Amino acid sequence: DIQMTQSPSSVSASTGDRVTITCRASQGISSRLAWYQQKPGKAPKLLIYAAFSLQSGDPSRFSGSASGTDFTLTISSLQPEDFGTYYCQQGYSFPLTFGGGTKVEIK
Amino acid sequence: EVRLVESGGGLVQPGGSLRISCAASGLTVSSNYMTWVRQAPGKGLEWVSVIYSAGTTHYADSVKGRFTISRDDSKNTLYLQMNSLRVGDAAVYYCANYGGNSGGMDVWGQGTTVTVSS
Repeated sequence: DIQMTQSPSSVSASTGDRVTITCRASQGISSRLAWYQQKPGKAPKLLIYAAFSLQSGDPSRFSGSASGTDFTLTISSLQPEDFGTYYCQQGYSFPLTFGGGTKVEIK
Repeated sequence: EVRLVESGGGLVQPGGSLRISCAASGLTVSSNYMTWVRQAPGKGLEWVSVIYSAGTTHYADSVKGRFTISRDDSKNTLYLQMNSLRVGDAAVYYCANYGGNSGGMDVWGQGTTVTVSS
């Protein structure tokens, strides 16, 4: 199985800050990675697919990048509504696997 | 509007069975890859199963042989039959539309809660 190691597990930042979340795959997954945002008590919401592509309707302050087996979600200017837990997910092979999550809090 | 609505969750004893459903509107279940993802209380997301438009299925090792994913095309509904349930299967179960290995899960239901307890 492909393991997805996500870091940090939590981050607290101020409105306007740049926030980066990293996901490392245990083996090559090409660009088959998605990022999700989940707010408490709600279903996850797709933000980024194919490592770089912004889901329609999502704000452009969210972006995805990759280098080898390391993938990064960047929030360029943190907004109050960006609180929640963020997950990465690989779609390269079954079983599909998620990272452990990064909780983003607004200071 | 594309919408997925799960139902059928509830309390079941260990070793029991339950079938949960996911009714779709604005999306044709038989034409899409449909998946189940679960989330235990206070935990992260765990993929459970997928069914392709052609009918091919895949399962997480933790549920293989106990859970069965299926669909009723006439009802445009996805199902998850869960047998031999364990305490560790307790979770909120979400259905989602899966865009395939280059996509992501772009439409999610609100989730249905399965509790396994004696």
